[in-house]
Amino acid sequence: SQKIEQNSEALNIQEGKTATLTCNYTNYSPAYLQWYRQDPGRGPVFLLLIRENEKEKRKERLKVTFDTTLKQSLFHITASQPADSATYLCALLSGGYNKLIFGAGTRLAVHP
Amino acid sequence: DADVTQTPRNRITKTGKRIMLECSQTKGHDRMYWYRQDPGLGLRLIYYSFDVKDINKGEISDGYSVSRQAQAKFSLSLESAIPNQTALYFCATSDPGGYETQYFGPGTRLLVL
Repeated sequence: SQKIEQNSEALNIQEGKTATLTCNYTNYSPAYLQWYRQDPGRGPVFLLLIRENEKEKRKERLKVTFDTTLKQSLFHITASQPADSATYLCALLSGGYNKLIFGAGTRLAVHP
Repeated sequence: DADVTQTPRNRITKTGKRIMLECSQTKGHDRMYWYRQDPGLGLRLIYYSFDVKDINKGEISDGYSVSRQAQAKFSLSLESAIPNQTALYFCATSDPGGYETQYFGPGTRLLVL
């Protein structure tokens, strides 16, 4: 069955460091992958999309990579700030259904 | 004003009661979704609708029903609430021309006693 895995353990880093979050998937051949940010008690907010033919995508301090051979996406936040603390979700299009399937998310905590 | 709104934001109900969660959107999107979120399980799709006349079950539709009253309105009903339906519920919309990017409402926190 199709599966998306994100590290369930929280990632704790110091302010100014680069945060790297991982999204692995199995039994998918997604055309693209999306990343969302979710703050406590709020709905997820779309951040970035990367297509299967793109190795890397950047937006300000955010960078996403997509390795279809490893079936993995990495999400990087450079020069992290306490305001970046949130849960980050990856999402893939479910084959044949035109719907997104979400990972459970990884919580990031950036400490001053 | 927010593009996707949900009412109520919080609800406490008792086992066996019927309740309705409402969602409205001003984004003009045809596609609307209802998800529930539980700790450690992420977002799971309950129902989705690609237009007013189209309703589809998601992965966890048992115990739920929906109504698409208009392009802008999509309601979720719990016919007879049970405690394991206690969760955070989100409505979302998407534009098929936009890679199905989801736009979420603020959520409804539901507690079933």
